[in-house]
Amino acid sequence: EDQVTQSPEALRLQEGESSSLNCSYTVSGLRGLFWYRQDPGKGPEFLFTLYSAGEEKEKERLKATLTKKESFLHITAPKPEDSATYLCAVQAYAGKSTFGDGTTLTVKP
Amino acid sequence: DVKVTQSSRYLVKRTGEKVFLECVQDMDHENMFWYRQDPGLGLRLIYFSYDVKMKEKGDIPEGYSVSREKKERFSLILESASTNQTSMYLCASALGSGYGYTFGSGTRLTVV
Repeated sequence: EDQVTQSPEALRLQEGESSSLNCSYTVSGLRGLFWYRQDPGKGPEFLFTLYSAGEEKEKERLKATLTKKESFLHITAPKPEDSATYLCAVQAYAGKSTFGDGTTLTVKP
Repeated sequence: DVKVTQSSRYLVKRTGEKVFLECVQDMDHENMFWYRQDPGLGLRLIYFSYDVKMKEKGDIPEGYSVSREKKERFSLILESASTNQTSMYLCASALGSGYGYTFGSGTRLTVV
Protein backbone atom coordinates (compact mmCIF):
# COMPACT_ATOMS: atom_id res chain seq x y z
CA GLU A 1 0.00 0.00 0.00
CA ASP A 2 1.31 3.44 -0.95
CA GLN A 3 1.98 5.75 1.99
CA VAL A 4 2.85 9.43 2.30
CA THR A 5 3.84 11.12 5.56
CA GLN A 6 4.34 14.87 5.78
CA SER A 7 6.08 16.79 8.53
CA PRO A 8 5.69 19.01 10.36
CA GLU A 9 1.89 19.22 10.58
CA ALA A 10 2.11 22.97 11.05
CA LEU A 11 4.91 25.49 10.60
CA ARG A 12 4.94 29.11 11.65
CA LEU A 13 7.61 31.36 10.16
CA GLN A 14 8.46 35.01 10.25
CA GLU A 15 8.54 36.74 6.89
CA GLY A 16 11.98 36.10 5.36
CA GLU A 17 12.73 33.07 7.55
CA SER A 18 13.59 30.18 5.22
CA SER A 19 12.64 26.57 6.03
CA SER A 20 11.79 23.16 4.56
CA LEU A 21 8.79 20.86 4.51
CA ASN A 22 9.31 17.10 4.42
CA CYS A 23 7.44 14.37 2.55
CA SER A 24 8.41 10.73 3.21
CA TYR A 25 6.91 8.08 0.98
CA THR A 26 6.69 4.39 0.18
CA VAL A 27 5.30 3.37 -3.19
CA SER A 28 5.54 0.49 -5.62
CA GLY A 29 6.65 1.82 -8.96
CA LEU A 30 6.76 5.59 -8.60
CA ARG A 31 5.27 7.33 -11.63
CA GLY A 32 5.70 10.77 -10.07
CA LEU A 33 5.78 12.78 -6.85
CA PHE A 34 3.65 15.92 -6.78
CA TRP A 35 3.42 19.03 -4.64
CA TYR A 36 0.22 21.05 -4.38
CA ARG A 37 -0.79 24.22 -2.56
CA GLN A 38 -4.24 24.50 -1.00
CA ASP A 39 -5.82 27.71 0.27
CA PRO A 40 -8.71 27.49 2.77
CA GLY A 41 -12.01 26.52 1.15
CA LYS A 42 -10.43 25.87 -2.25
CA GLY A 43 -9.22 22.89 -4.25
CA PRO A 44 -5.50 22.09 -4.30
CA GLU A 45 -3.40 23.85 -6.94
CA PHE A 46 -0.64 21.91 -8.71
CA LEU A 47 2.91 23.16 -8.10
CA PHE A 48 5.53 20.59 -9.16
CA THR A 49 6.11 17.10 -10.51
CA LEU A 50 9.30 15.17 -9.72
CA TYR A 51 9.99 11.89 -11.47
CA SER A 52 13.36 10.59 -10.34
CA ALA A 53 15.82 10.86 -7.46
CA GLY A 54 18.09 13.88 -7.77
CA GLU A 55 15.55 15.93 -9.68
CA GLU A 56 14.85 19.52 -8.58
CA LYS A 57 12.17 22.04 -9.63
CA GLU A 58 11.88 25.72 -8.74
CA LYS A 59 9.11 28.29 -8.84
CA GLU A 60 9.59 31.72 -7.30
CA ARG A 61 10.46 31.14 -3.61
CA LEU A 62 9.76 27.39 -3.74
CA LYS A 63 12.16 24.59 -4.60
CA ALA A 64 11.26 20.90 -4.58
CA THR A 65 13.80 18.09 -4.39
CA LEU A 66 13.48 14.31 -4.52
CA THR A 67 15.39 11.35 -3.13
CA LYS A 68 14.45 7.67 -3.23
CA LYS A 69 12.58 7.93 0.07
CA GLU A 70 11.58 11.55 0.55
CA SER A 71 10.98 14.93 -0.98
CA PHE A 72 11.59 18.39 0.42
CA LEU A 73 9.85 21.64 -0.35
CA HIS A 74 12.26 24.44 0.46
CA ILE A 75 10.80 27.90 1.00
CA THR A 76 13.28 30.75 0.69
CA ALA A 77 12.51 34.14 2.27
CA PRO A 78 8.77 33.43 2.52
CA LYS A 79 6.11 36.14 2.37
CA PRO A 80 2.69 36.18 4.07
CA GLU A 81 1.06 35.24 0.74
CA ASP A 82 2.90 31.91 0.90
CA SER A 83 0.67 30.92 3.83
CA ALA A 84 -1.31 27.82 2.79
CA THR A 85 -1.45 24.07 3.25
CA TYR A 86 1.11 22.23 1.14
CA LEU A 87 0.21 18.72 0.05
CA CYS A 88 2.52 16.01 -1.22
CA ALA A 89 1.26 13.08 -3.31
CA VAL A 90 2.75 10.00 -4.97
CA GLN A 91 1.37 8.37 -8.06
CA ALA A 92 1.70 4.76 -9.11
CA TYR A 93 -0.83 2.54 -10.87
CA ALA A 94 -3.19 4.08 -13.44
CA GLY A 95 -2.44 7.65 -12.44
CA LYS A 96 -4.00 7.22 -9.01
CA SER A 97 -2.44 9.53 -6.39
CA THR A 98 -2.07 8.98 -2.68
CA PHE A 99 -1.89 12.20 -0.67
CA GLY A 100 -0.24 13.10 2.60
CA ASP A 101 -2.14 15.02 5.27
CA GLY A 102 -0.33 18.25 4.43
CA THR A 103 1.73 20.89 6.21
CA THR A 104 -0.04 24.10 7.12
CA LEU A 105 2.36 27.01 6.71
CA THR A 106 1.73 30.37 8.35
CA VAL A 107 4.05 33.25 7.52
CA LYS A 108 3.80 36.25 9.83
CA PRO A 109 4.76 39.72 8.59
CA ASP B 1 -5.69 26.87 -18.49
CA VAL B 2 -7.56 23.66 -17.80
CA LYS B 3 -10.70 24.25 -15.90
CA VAL B 4 -12.51 21.76 -13.71
CA THR B 5 -15.99 22.89 -12.77
CA GLN B 6 -18.03 21.40 -9.97
CA SER B 7 -21.73 22.14 -10.18
CA SER B 8 -22.27 23.32 -6.58
CA ARG B 9 -20.06 24.98 -3.96
CA TYR B 10 -22.43 24.21 -1.08
CA LEU B 11 -25.14 21.58 -0.81
CA VAL B 12 -27.45 20.55 2.03
CA LYS B 13 -29.31 17.26 1.71
CA ARG B 14 -31.45 15.09 3.94
CA THR B 15 -30.54 11.61 5.12
CA GLY B 16 -31.68 8.99 2.62
CA GLU B 17 -31.75 11.33 -0.38
CA LYS B 18 -30.01 10.38 -3.62
CA VAL B 19 -27.37 13.03 -4.32
CA PHE B 20 -25.64 13.84 -7.60
CA LEU B 21 -22.36 15.76 -7.71
CA GLU B 22 -21.34 16.84 -11.19
CA CYS B 23 -17.86 17.60 -12.50
CA VAL B 24 -16.90 18.88 -15.95
CA GLN B 25 -13.41 19.46 -17.38
CA ASP B 26 -12.67 21.37 -20.56
CA MET B 27 -9.28 20.09 -21.74
CA ASP B 28 -9.81 16.58 -23.04
CA HIS B 29 -8.17 14.93 -20.04
CA GLU B 30 -8.23 11.14 -19.94
CA ASN B 31 -8.30 10.63 -16.18
CA MET B 32 -10.83 11.93 -13.71
CA PHE B 33 -11.07 11.44 -9.95
CA TRP B 34 -13.35 11.98 -6.99
CA TYR B 35 -11.82 12.58 -3.55
CA ARG B 36 -13.30 13.56 -0.24
CA GLN B 37 -11.37 15.70 2.22
CA ASP B 38 -11.98 15.60 5.96
CA PRO B 39 -10.01 17.24 8.81
CA GLY B 40 -7.44 14.82 10.17
CA LEU B 41 -8.05 12.28 7.39
CA GLY B 42 -6.68 14.16 4.41
CA LEU B 43 -7.72 13.45 0.83
CA ARG B 44 -9.17 10.00 0.25
CA LEU B 45 -9.91 8.56 -3.18
CA ILE B 46 -13.49 7.44 -3.77
CA TYR B 47 -13.52 6.49 -7.47
CA PHE B 48 -11.54 7.24 -10.58
CA SER B 49 -11.93 6.81 -14.31
CA TYR B 50 -9.25 6.55 -16.99
CA ASP B 51 -11.60 6.38 -19.97
CA VAL B 52 -15.20 6.94 -20.95
CA LYS B 53 -17.49 4.36 -19.34
CA MET B 54 -14.54 2.98 -17.35
CA LYS B 55 -14.41 3.29 -13.59
CA GLU B 56 -12.35 1.88 -10.77
CA LYS B 57 -12.90 1.85 -7.04
CA GLY B 58 -10.63 3.93 -4.89
CA ASP B 59 -9.96 3.50 -1.19
CA ILE B 60 -13.44 4.35 0.13
CA PRO B 61 -16.10 3.49 -2.51
CA GLU B 62 -18.77 2.20 -0.13
CA GLY B 63 -22.00 4.20 -0.41
CA TYR B 64 -20.94 5.87 -3.66
CA SER B 65 -21.18 5.20 -7.37
CA VAL B 66 -19.97 7.09 -10.42
CA SER B 67 -20.87 7.66 -14.04
CA ARG B 68 -18.73 8.72 -16.98
CA GLU B 69 -20.84 8.74 -20.13
CA LYS B 70 -18.81 11.49 -21.82
CA LYS B 71 -15.10 12.18 -21.59
CA GLU B 72 -15.52 15.63 -20.06
CA ARG B 73 -18.07 14.72 -17.37
CA PHE B 74 -17.65 12.59 -14.26
CA SER B 75 -20.52 12.32 -11.82
CA LEU B 76 -20.47 11.11 -8.23
CA ILE B 77 -23.66 9.61 -6.86
CA LEU B 78 -24.52 9.10 -3.22
CA GLU B 79 -27.16 6.38 -3.42
CA SER B 80 -28.69 7.10 -0.01
CA ALA B 81 -27.02 10.00 1.75
CA SER B 82 -25.96 9.52 5.35
CA THR B 83 -24.60 11.97 7.91
CA ASN B 84 -21.12 10.39 7.74
CA GLN B 85 -20.95 11.50 4.11
CA THR B 86 -20.87 15.14 5.20
CA SER B 87 -17.58 16.32 3.71
CA MET B 88 -15.75 18.42 1.14
CA TYR B 89 -15.85 16.62 -2.21
CA LEU B 90 -13.13 17.38 -4.73
CA CYS B 91 -13.12 16.44 -8.39
CA ALA B 92 -9.84 16.36 -10.34
CA SER B 93 -8.68 15.59 -13.85
CA ALA B 94 -5.30 14.73 -15.38
CA LEU B 95 -3.94 14.32 -18.89
CA GLY B 96 -2.91 10.76 -18.05
CA SER B 97 -0.76 8.65 -15.79
CA GLY B 98 2.28 10.52 -14.48
CA TYR B 99 0.68 13.96 -14.76
CA GLY B 100 -0.40 16.31 -11.99
CA TYR B 101 -4.05 16.92 -11.25
CA THR B 102 -6.21 19.95 -11.86
CA PHE B 103 -8.78 20.22 -9.10
CA GLY B 104 -12.18 21.84 -9.01
CA SER B 105 -13.14 24.29 -6.28
CA GLY B 106 -14.91 21.58 -4.29
CA THR B 107 -18.45 20.94 -3.09
CA ARG B 108 -19.08 21.18 0.62
CA LEU B 109 -21.90 18.70 1.25
CA THR B 110 -23.83 18.64 4.50
CA VAL B 111 -26.22 15.76 5.16
CA VAL B 112 -28.77 16.44 7.89
